[in-house]
Amino acid sequence: GESVGLHLPTLSVQEGDNSIINCAYSNSASDYFIWYKQESGKGPQFIIDIRSNMDKRQGQRVTVLLNKTVKHLSLQIAATQPGDSAVYFCAENMDSNYQLIWGAGTKLIIKP
Amino acid sequence: NAGVMQNPRHLVRRRGQEARLRCSPMKGHSHVYWYRQLPEEGLKFMVYLQKENIIDESGMPKERFSAEFPKEGPSILRIQQVVRGDSAAYFCASSESPGGRIEQFFGPGTRLTVL
Repeated sequence: GESVGLHLPTLSVQEGDNSIINCAYSNSASDYFIWYKQESGKGPQFIIDIRSNMDKRQGQRVTVLLNKTVKHLSLQIAATQPGDSAVYFCAENMDSNYQLIWGAGTKLIIKP
Repeated sequence: NAGVMQNPRHLVRRRGQEARLRCSPMKGHSHVYWYRQLPEEGLKFMVYLQKENIIDESGMPKERFSAEFPKEGPSILRIQQVVRGDSAAYFCASSESPGGRIEQFFGPGTRLTVL
């Protein structure tokens, strides 16, 4: 979960296409995961969460997939729109601890 | 219902000065969390407070940093004798109940620049 201060990974997607953003989490004991969206100059905004007893959860235009075997989380955004341009972070949480451990983030760019 | 409010949005300080960052949680929320974000990085937990109590300050540097959440008024993150390395965005979040499972609502952040 600890990020290193390098350039953010960037994903460029054509408007209307589907986007898949990946995240590797660090702690095998983490049992709750959240995806946040952060637009430029703003605070993070909750998108969707998933508990470790699930491997898939769907929201409006978004789906989160969890693979505990390889400690991998993904966020799928259907029919990407210009308003989806942002940095996307995954965060992990363990055992009802209030601390969220944040991943490094992925910058999503939407091409018109 | 207004969201989490933070002020100032931008703060410029010279080395050695003090920085005071304010956070007003959402109405009805009594749990406040402070995070720090360096450019192109994720957020790092600093401190968790309830009204008048510091619950966990394990992510906060031992020196120069302090936080409070008084009975009345906003939560304050105070950085004394700022150094260039303190330049970052500082985000406050609040929740109705404690815990990572409960959605934390984030404010717009304060961007601190130390000259």
